[in-house]
Amino acid sequence: ETGVTQSPTHLIKTRGQQVTLRCSSQSGHNTVSWYQQALGQGPQFIFQYYREEENGRGNFPPRFSGLQFPNYSSELNVNALELDDSALYLCASMGVNSYNEQFFGPGTRLTVL
Amino acid sequence: AQSVTQLDSQVPVFEEAPVELRCNYSSSVSVYLFWYVQYPNQGLQLLLKYLSGSTLVESINGFEAEFNKSQTSFHLRKPSVHISDTAEYFCAVSSYNNNDMRFGAGTRLTVKP
Repeated sequence: ETGVTQSPTHLIKTRGQQVTLRCSSQSGHNTVSWYQQALGQGPQFIFQYYREEENGRGNFPPRFSGLQFPNYSSELNVNALELDDSALYLCASMGVNSYNEQFFGPGTRLTVL
Repeated sequence: AQSVTQLDSQVPVFEEAPVELRCNYSSSVSVYLFWYVQYPNQGLQLLLKYLSGSTLVESINGFEAEFNKSQTSFHLRKPSVHISDTAEYFCAVSSYNNNDMRFGAGTRLTVKP
């Protein structure tokens, strides 16, 4: 059974640029959530995708957007990067009837200069 | 919406001593409760979870947590810690019908020899 994978591991961008982060869900999982974890803080919910549709969103501006593909993998896109977007971005997947138990990937460390 | 408060940002303890990491939650509806552990430069790993039934839940590596509905708490305990338990611990809550998971700010457990 393959766990949640994310790419790239690290990324450095400059303010104003756009970035795409990728996530492959655990085998058999059809729901993917994205979280932002700033340094020294707990993860903050960005949004969730279920069957290629957005299924809930946290308090993040529209420049944070996402996609889910038929194979349940997902992308997180962030436009017009700001310095405060520097964080660890975590992807989590869960399956049907999982009581909201989520399995996390290793994360992508984004640094905005 | 739910929220989580982890009452201690840092807990230093000597090896083989007992430890308690405190977590309180707030919610107007029934919830699932989780403890995740994060080692440096890694994603989150599920430590244990409360879904329903027995209020005392245990992990395979000696941690346990007790759900207390009247005090809205889900404290994590271990009777004897090891150096390898040094990590960041996050308490999280998710309601039955809400897909986003809310995390506390984390407690850094440092086990000293």
